[in-house]
Amino acid sequence: QKEVEQNSGPLSVPEGAIASLNCTYSDRGSQSFFWYRQYSGKSPELIMSIYSNGDKEDGRFTAQLNKASQYVSLLIRDSQPSDSATYLCAVRGDYKLSFGAGTTVTVRA
Amino acid sequence: ETGVTQTPRHLVMGMTNKKSLKCEQHLGHNAMYWYKQSAKKPLELMFVYNFKEQTENNSVPSRFSPECPNSSHLFLHLHTLQPEDSALYLCASSQVAMSSYNEQFFGPGTRLTVL
Repeated sequence: QKEVEQNSGPLSVPEGAIASLNCTYSDRGSQSFFWYRQYSGKSPELIMSIYSNGDKEDGRFTAQLNKASQYVSLLIRDSQPSDSATYLCAVRGDYKLSFGAGTTVTVRA
Repeated sequence: ETGVTQTPRHLVMGMTNKKSLKCEQHLGHNAMYWYKQSAKKPLELMFVYNFKEQTENNSVPSRFSPECPNSSHLFLHLHTLQPEDSALYLCASSQVAMSSYNEQFFGPGTRLTVL
């Protein structure tokens, strides 16, 4: 079983719509969760971190965490063409950060 | 310079060459990491250094040799690589390695091609 799994995508959404990205993880003891955005040919950029159950909002981004279900999600509201990128879910276990394979989002104008 | 910098940004080498990748962080962090990113695969952690001490070697072949002379600098020495080692090599840093709440920040990466 993969440590971190993301919906495979690619995900295509119209401009202005909500993009919903999902991530599940296998280590029940995981304590911290991160979303990175990676543009093509660039390195990952941290956009959200979440440590407690519930929602965390930052601008157009909302991260949701449910530790009981071992599930974390990222919502992008009012999607813009500049949001077109691959989004990586990362989960912190004992000593290391484990990454999912990423979900590629394309926002069409 | 700000954040995490890496040089060179692109590297093409033959299987018999020896080269080194350099990473420098300007964030005052104490932990540094090497990751490998291959196409269509998740980021793979290679090495972790915490306060200059190596704390993790994720079963990386010996043709990759890390060096961390201080908390701000990290090197990856490469020798007798294979074509399957072609990938994007990313350096990252965080405040310390063992805290669950540390955010990691990445450098721009080195795109390595092994011929």
